[in-house]
Amino acid sequence: SSELTQPPSVSVSPGQTASITCSGDKLGDKYACWYQQKPGQSPILVIYQDSRRPSGIPERFSGSNSGNTATLTISGTQAMDEADYYCQAWDSSTVIFGGGTKLTVL
Amino acid sequence: EVQLVESGGGLVKPGGSLRLSCAASGFTFSNAWMSWVRQAPGKGLEWVGRIKRKTDGGTTDYAAPVKGRFIISRDDSKNRLYLQMNSLKTEDTAVYFCTTDIPGGAFDSWGQGTLVTVSS
Repeated sequence: SSELTQPPSVSVSPGQTASITCSGDKLGDKYACWYQQKPGQSPILVIYQDSRRPSGIPERFSGSNSGNTATLTISGTQAMDEADYYCQAWDSSTVIFGGGTKLTVL
Repeated sequence: EVQLVESGGGLVKPGGSLRLSCAASGFTFSNAWMSWVRQAPGKGLEWVGRIKRKTDGGTTDYAAPVKGRFIISRDDSKNRLYLQMNSLKTEDTAVYFCTTDIPGGAFDSWGQGTLVTVSS
């Protein structure tokens, strides 16, 4: 089955834009989604179906998916956005997760 | 408000069995597709398997590492999801989360998780 590749870490200054990528073979042909997980907490869905935001997720979170890459973008990043982020997609009736990206806001 | 509460985790020896339970409330459980996702200590997320609602056949799918050893079931009359884990291995040590599945294949609600430790 396919793999999803994320950068292990991304750093961003408060107020700036953070972009986290997720690469996989023909990922653009599948729906991608993104989860935020803070230490000791359960994951939270922040983007589904490539670019849709669940109720309660701030507008600063957005997503795109094309070709082999899905991207999570956080505009005007806040300190509270510091967390691990995971991408996820379905491939051949099985779920694949990316390895996760630690977003540091400094 | 959707609530998912897992229970049944604990310490088990390699080769042993354990059954996890997930109590669901705040939504129509019988209409939901449900999954189990696990996370080994300090590691990333790993999908375990899912079960569809009965009107969609109630069928199950499993990740390769657990296929043939784990069984997912549901009791819609009790609003409960189960994960029967057999022939446990040390690499099955993880926090196990119960989740709801939404169209498009995302997991939109998560429980707090229950820790399973497989060790001699």
